[in-house]
Amino acid sequence: SQWGEENLQALSIQEGEDVTMNCSYKTYTTVVQWYRQKSGKGPALIILIRSNEREKRSGRLRATLDTSSQSSSLSITGTLATDTAVYFCATRDYAQGLTFGLGTRVSVFP
Amino acid sequence: GPKVLQIPSHQIIDMGQMVTLNCDPVSNHLYFYWYKQILGQQMEFLVNFYNGKVMEKSKLFKDQFSVERPDGSYFTLKIQPTALEDSAVYFCASSNRDKYAEQFFGPGTRLTVL
Repeated sequence: SQWGEENLQALSIQEGEDVTMNCSYKTYTTVVQWYRQKSGKGPALIILIRSNEREKRSGRLRATLDTSSQSSSLSITGTLATDTAVYFCATRDYAQGLTFGLGTRVSVFP
Repeated sequence: GPKVLQIPSHQIIDMGQMVTLNCDPVSNHLYFYWYKQILGQQMEFLVNFYNGKVMEKSKLFKDQFSVERPDGSYFTLKIQPTALEDSAVYFCASSNRDKYAEQFFGPGTRLTVL
């Protein structure tokens, strides 16, 4: 697998709190994508970070990438109940297809 | 945003039967993908398709699998014959460019093989 076993997590937090999730990858990549998957839906891209970027922000989302340790993190500040979802990091092992990590299940309670 | 549709949402069949999963990709997209997700496991790439041809496939894309998109209609994944280990949720995705373009995913088809 492209991803370490430690990627499987479940986090329960209260609305308003911040949350950070991590993943590490084994093979070289130029892009790490973070997807959010809500119950009964397919994954949706929420943020993408390239190998020449150490940090990327989009609204309440912040992604980091450390190519030396081959790891990436996603932070969500001021979580809302609507942030409840499974979050996946993904890279491209294949020329076209994505390789997904196991994901982090985030449950945000009001 | 752009939507990918998948039909049906759930399919139950007996082992050995043939099944066709249908995907209606975003209308101007040219690249199409199938992924497989077994319950509790990570989503895994199966195949991508462009210009009427399979461009790349993973080792999960067994000989029993085939894909096509006849005359710009549904992009389909056919499994013939099915096996118990084919039970999973299958996600279709499409993109308008290659490699680094965002892939838009459908809601998945849950396939149960009995």
